[in-house]
Amino acid sequence: AQTVTQSQPEMSVQEAETVTLSCTYDTSESDYYLFWYKQPPSRQMILVIRQEAYKQQNATENRFSVNFQKAAKSFSLKISDSQLGDAAMYFCAYLYIGANFVFGPGTRLSVLP
Amino acid sequence: DGGITQSPKYLFRKEGQNVTLSCEQNLNHDAMYWYRQDPGQGLRLIYYSQIVNDFQKGDIAEGYSVSREKKESFPLTVTSAQKNPTAFYLCASSTIPDLNTEAFFGQGTRLTVV
Repeated sequence: AQTVTQSQPEMSVQEAETVTLSCTYDTSESDYYLFWYKQPPSRQMILVIRQEAYKQQNATENRFSVNFQKAAKSFSLKISDSQLGDAAMYFCAYLYIGANFVFGPGTRLSVLP
Repeated sequence: DGGITQSPKYLFRKEGQNVTLSCEQNLNHDAMYWYRQDPGQGLRLIYYSQIVNDFQKGDIAEGYSVSREKKESFPLTVTSAQKNPTAFYLCASSTIPDLNTEAFFGQGTRLTVV
């Protein structure tokens, strides 16, 4: 079974600084998708960024970028120029074609003013 | 506006009662999912469905039931057999995985046993 691990239950970052959240996953498949979702205090899940496993180029979305290492099964999220509004739970997720989304346990990010 | 709607936002259940959580989407998505989220934990899959009249158990299906009679609707029933139902429940939908796949989530239902 596919599993997703986030080894950092909590992280903190100073406003305007950069932080990296870690994610590793276990799969025997070669074609799949990876995601980072944000859950602010409102508890609404919001997609931050998506990566297709067949793409070697790392995805970027404004201040958010990923470091995708397929061989190492690693998918970290880098947040640059952190803002107070970035404070939230962040979930890494995996999706295999024809199956369901598998989520990691989450990392709670605090942004310090 | 297209989206996914869960109701109610808060739900209270007495011991021994069955309750049904509603999930409706107008995104024309084939796949729908129910997740349970406990405090400080991630999302655990209860059930998912990729086509009308078909659904599969997830990791924690015991004590829950679902139906998928319409593409737009995927209600979740929490039965009296679920011994610890107090949790936050999230419904999601998606296209069948393709280049633009992502899960869209409802706002959640908080269920409390009283």
